[in-house]
Amino acid sequence: GESVGLHLPTLSVQEGDNSIINCAYSNSASDYFIWYKQESGKGPQFIIDIRSNMDKRQGQRVTVLLNKTVKHLSLQIAATQPGDSAVYFCAETTYSTLTFGKGTMLLVSP
Amino acid sequence: DADVTQTPRNRITKTGKRIMLECSQTKGHDRMYWYRQDPGLGLQLIYYSFDVKDINKGEISDGYSVSRQAQAKFSLSLESAIPNQTALYFCATSDPSGGEQETQYFGPGTRLLVL
Repeated sequence: GESVGLHLPTLSVQEGDNSIINCAYSNSASDYFIWYKQESGKGPQFIIDIRSNMDKRQGQRVTVLLNKTVKHLSLQIAATQPGDSAVYFCAETTYSTLTFGKGTMLLVSP
Repeated sequence: DADVTQTPRNRITKTGKRIMLECSQTKGHDRMYWYRQDPGLGLQLIYYSFDVKDINKGEISDGYSVSRQAQAKFSLSLESAIPNQTALYFCATSDPSGGEQETQYFGPGTRLLVL
């Protein structure tokens, strides 16, 4: 989702649930996409990436799906844990620089 | 990521002052970046450098300048700070030749307050 003013879209889940965070990107020429996690007071941390010639990539407990037709990216987190609570950003590569989305806050309650 | 360090971590300054934010990296990456982040928003690119002799403007370069003193060092200057430059500033590095395309590694950030 897109943020409005200072308010980030927020996803609240229970520990153990699966989480899905969505991102719409703007540039159909983008050829590489990354998901970052940012915990409070820290810099963004790389989670997983995907190239435009793929539609799915799996990591440890995370999966990224890419739908180029509708320019949509999603991050799935399996068995969400309290430590997954953070802001998640998608980023797309355009001409060798990254363009970041506005982020989604994930809140995981025990 | 401890491989990318930023100094200072926090800074309070007054309108009109010139300040410099420093970034150092031990990752051996050629590419370095400066971003700002405002509350509740994503990161916006200020400047980037693909090697020591290369400097490029990002989305929001007005009011900022940079210097790439060495492969490992990239500093950001605010020539005359203004209150709307109050933000969190991040440095990042990347190395496409390592097969990781544009994956960027971020420092811990500098929190800047301009009064």
